Amino acid sequence: GAVVSQHPSWVICKSGTSVKIECRSLDFQATTMFWYRQFPKQSLMLMATSNEGSKATYEQGVEKDKFLINHASLTLSTLTVTSAHPEDSSFYICSARHRGQFNSPLHFGNGTRLTVT
Amino acid sequence: QKEVEQNSGPLSVPEGAIASLNCTYSDRVSQSFFWYRQYSGKSPELIMSIYSNGDKEDGRFTAQLNKASQYVSLLIRDSQPSDSATYLCAVKSYNQGGKLIFGQGTELSVKP
Repeated sequence: GAVVSQHPSWVICKSGTSVKIECRSLDFQATTMFWYRQFPKQSLMLMATSNEGSKATYEQGVEKDKFLINHASLTLSTLTVTSAHPEDSSFYICSARHRGQFNSPLHFGNGTRLTVT
Repeated sequence: QKEVEQNSGPLSVPEGAIASLNCTYSDRVSQSFFWYRQYSGKSPELIMSIYSNGDKEDGRFTAQLNKASQYVSLLIRDSQPSDSATYLCAVKSYNQGGKLIFGQGTELSVKP
């Protein structure tokens, strides 16, 4: 159980275009999903917290107009990288927390490797 | 001071030895502590979770938590080459709204 599916696993796009990444909890309801970004040889940096039915909470330094997050249901959150630039190339990973289980471990998706050319 | 700190390594141990990974955290009211393993190019996978002071053992892995010292560690007994990966310490607290804050990770290399 506790499977988180992330799609696509990799994407290459041209500079200036937008890319949407989906994160789904397959066998549980997730009121909260987290989006992380990881650059090579660095740790996971939290970008934003996505709450079902409400606006996402962004970490300091993360542009909310550039990284659009939608959490329309208890099993789906999407991250859209708008007007992507080469510096946005990174490994994006989502995670989800069981509804009502605050202290439970986060379950991670397999990540999306974004390359902007 | 970083919220969660780990030695970046690399930590190199021979096969069969004990690997010891350490982590300190700054938020004194942290409640939940996790160790994740991340292979190159992959997302993290949960190894251990620990919530109270003391030791918690699961197979070859033992997590140790000392809240007074704000210290959590992971011991890997009988290390195998397949254990070679980056180990991430993560901490969660109510003060952070349940966010999981990661350390920079320790790269472990187990030599055959």
